[in-house]
Amino acid sequence: TQLLEQSPQFLSIQEGENLTVYCNSSSVFSSLQWYRQEPGEGPVLLVTVVTGGEVKKLKRLTFQFGDARKDSSLHITAAQPGDTGLYLCAGDGQGGSEKLVFGKGTKLTVNP
Amino acid sequence: EPEVTQTPSHQVTQMGQEVILRCVPISNHLYFYWYRQILGQKVEFLVSFYNNEISEKSEIFDDQFSVERPDGSNFTLKIRSTKLEDSAMYFCASNGGGLTYNEQFFGPGTRLTVL
Repeated sequence: TQLLEQSPQFLSIQEGENLTVYCNSSSVFSSLQWYRQEPGEGPVLLVTVVTGGEVKKLKRLTFQFGDARKDSSLHITAAQPGDTGLYLCAGDGQGGSEKLVFGKGTKLTVNP
Repeated sequence: EPEVTQTPSHQVTQMGQEVILRCVPISNHLYFYWYRQILGQKVEFLVSFYNNEISEKSEIFDDQFSVERPDGSNFTLKIRSTKLEDSAMYFCASNGGGLTYNEQFFGPGTRLTVL
């Protein structure tokens, strides 16, 4: 069974601080997605990483895929209150499976 | 920007009743999915659908569930006889296939409450 463990589960920081959240697994993924979810809404795709060691930037967000394609991180620089939300990582199922396997998420709160 | 839409946004039903949740995937997408999220829990895969047939389903997707693409735009999830434990957010997603890897775009969800 594939599992994605996200840490920390909760994170509360002040505006302007930097933070990193992690997504770890013992399984290898062909690709891994990061989503952001607001309460009562659907996950919104932020980025897809595919190549081991890949780094992608989306404004103040930096996503990295581990060399072995088993883990990923999301780093936010100078966090703003608008970054508040639930950040989910999701990996594709193994053996050609199309399903996405989700982590439980990191609930980020950025205080003004 | 193209997006996945879902109706209704909220559905309240009595246990044992049938419900149909509707989705309109992104128009040129080929792969369609249903997921659910019980309050406070992970998003869980239910079923994937391609070329007018189910391509994969989870153990949650038992005989009470069915999916259909009745026309060129809609994708539906039917629960024949709802149970209390079916209460959850249900998300539809779609994927363009090809070189887009497994990028799945999610709809806003339908909140199903079974009483």
